[in-house]
Amino acid sequence: AQSVTQPDIHITVSEGASLELRCNYSYGATPYLFWYVQSPGQGLQLLLKYFSGDTLVQGIKGFEAEFKRSQSSFNLRKPSVHWSDAAEYFCAVAPTDNAGNMLTFGGGTRLMVKP
Amino acid sequence: DTAVSQTPKYLVTQMGNDKSIKCEQNLGHDTMYWYKQDSKKFLKIMFSYNNKELIINETVPNRFSPKSPDKAHLNLHINSLELGDSAVYFCASSFSGGNIQYFGAGTRLSVL
Repeated sequence: AQSVTQPDIHITVSEGASLELRCNYSYGATPYLFWYVQSPGQGLQLLLKYFSGDTLVQGIKGFEAEFKRSQSSFNLRKPSVHWSDAAEYFCAVAPTDNAGNMLTFGGGTRLMVKP
Repeated sequence: DTAVSQTPKYLVTQMGNDKSIKCEQNLGHDTMYWYKQDSKKFLKIMFSYNNKELIINETVPNRFSPKSPDKAHLNLHINSLELGDSAVYFCASSFSGGNIQYFGAGTRLSVL
């Protein structure tokens, strides 16, 4: 069975500082990989995705993520954090065999931004 | 013109009641989903459904049942509500094989 681990439950960074959120997955092959963001009281918004090809993917709001097959990781980065980035971030995987397209989520990382 | 809309946004009810949450998408997707987010923010898939098949997460109690009157709707019906059903329920949709899912804003269910 596939699983996703986000080792950091909470992260606090200063506004303007760089950010990296960690994500590791367990799956028999390379799955489809996603990062979603959930602002307080809101639904989930897709930040970026990896299906194949270039292992560095660009997303919305200045985020990027790098897929590293050897480490089974898909870490999310942003060079300069804005106060509006404070939210809950979820890494997710989906099977490539189209088994219902169901996403498996990590436990989430809550990002707090200090002024 | 919300892409995936859920109603109600909040639902407060007593134990033992039966309730439904509605979900509609106007994206032309053929697959819809229900997820449960517990108090610790952990998100878990409950169902995946398109016009060909329903896939149920084996951990979902049979008190929960998805009902789809048409391709644009997937409602969630819950019988005999229990305290542990309190959570935020998210609906999502996608094209089959597309894997990019679009989420609704969630329904916060509180069982008293």
